[in-house]
Amino acid sequence: AQSVAQPEDQVNVAEGNPLTVKCTYSVSGNPYLFWYVQYPNRGLQFLLKYITGDNLVKGSYGFEAEFNKSQTSFHLKKPSALVSDSALYFCAVRDIWSPGGGADGLTFGKGTHLIIQP
Amino acid sequence: NAGVTQTPKFRILKIGQSMTLQCTQDMNHNYMYWYRQDPGMGLKLIYYSVGAGITDKGEVPNGYNVSRSTTEDFPLRLELAAPSQTSVYFCASKQGDYTEAFFGQGTRLTVV
Repeated sequence: AQSVAQPEDQVNVAEGNPLTVKCTYSVSGNPYLFWYVQYPNRGLQFLLKYITGDNLVKGSYGFEAEFNKSQTSFHLKKPSALVSDSALYFCAVRDIWSPGGGADGLTFGKGTHLIIQP
Repeated sequence: NAGVTQTPKFRILKIGQSMTLQCTQDMNHNYMYWYRQDPGMGLKLIYYSVGAGITDKGEVPNGYNVSRSTTEDFPLRLELAAPSQTSVYFCASKQGDYTEAFFGQGTRLTVV
């Protein structure tokens, strides 16, 4: 079985400061990892993914994430937060050995509200 | 390019009523999904499809049905609405195993 934990319901950061949104995962094999962002009354938008290769992944809007296999983590980061980054962020995982052969859906974390204060 | 389109955006149902949530995508994606999102619970997979004529249950399929007669369309059917089905429903599609999913804007359903 695969699972994702986002330990913080909410993260508050002052504008211009660096931000980190935490994510840890559990899979039987190797993970595919994703970050999505959801703005109010909107669907989820893809930010970045880790499939294989470099542990540091760069994505949209200046976000990046670091895959750490030993700590089973995939934390989302940004060097300088903007007020417009305020949203709900979801980490998601799929085990490459999942029985659906990749066709079944992702397992999502509960989400972290990111609030950037001016 | 419209992406993934869901209708309706909002709906209020009475207990025991039925309805179909529509989802269509214009990206020629093989894989399509239905999720529900409850506050503080993340997204739960209801059903998914790997292509026309093929569907399978996800984590929370009870009370729902789906069909996939075309590549573009993946409707979700609620037969006997219950208050526990009050939620926000998202349809998503993707091209392949390693690709990201594209989501619709959601349907907010309230069962009273």
